[in-house]
Amino acid sequence: GAVVSQHPSRVICKSGTSVKIECRSLDFQATTMFWYRQFPKQSLMLMATSNEGSKATYEQGVEKDKFLINHASLTLSTLTVTSAHPEDSSFYICSASWGQGSGNTIYFGEGSWLTVV
Amino acid sequence: KQEVTQIPAALSVPEGENLVLNCSFTDSAIYNLQWFRQDPGKGLTSLLLIQSSQREQTSGRLNASLDKSSGRSTLYIAASQPGDSATYLCAVVNQAGTALIFGKGTTLSVSS
Repeated sequence: GAVVSQHPSRVICKSGTSVKIECRSLDFQATTMFWYRQFPKQSLMLMATSNEGSKATYEQGVEKDKFLINHASLTLSTLTVTSAHPEDSSFYICSASWGQGSGNTIYFGEGSWLTVV
Repeated sequence: KQEVTQIPAALSVPEGENLVLNCSFTDSAIYNLQWFRQDPGKGLTSLLLIQSSQREQTSGRLNASLDKSSGRSTLYIAASQPGDSATYLCAVVNQAGTALIFGKGTTLSVSS
């Protein structure tokens, strides 16, 4: 079964509204989670690194005030797309790491399809 | 800056064929490399993970090789089946605990 759960899997929202996506590690504590975005026919691009208890680190070109990331606990990170616009429509997916060193395993959530109309 | 390239972008084969997907990366100083499968509208499924010190990994009909010095990896799929149809993504991790850097993927279609 899934070890990283992402919700919702699909969401449609009106332009100008905000939408929150949750990423939960089910059986382990994840001090670090990553958020990616994938536009059609493009590769997954890292948006930000989410660290429990501290501010997220955003990649160049990603607006931190628009894509709010909260990692309040070791099992939950949230991504809030604020004032969404149609160009924000994309596939958003999170990942979390378990283990250390060479045994480090990365698990991905199921992804969330956001459509802004 | 690490860049990952996958060739071909798309591939169509008849059932039963053996095939090779290619992945190249610009910075050979990687921590590990992974191959994933992505089905339409779905998340990612990890197929094989190769540590930087390893040369290959095998799982069932899948075999992935890694040549760090040349910045290349290949995913070999033996006796392809229609159920193998999906997009295959290659990704590298530059340092432990950092994010994956993905290629754009190879979309495979296996016809029966």
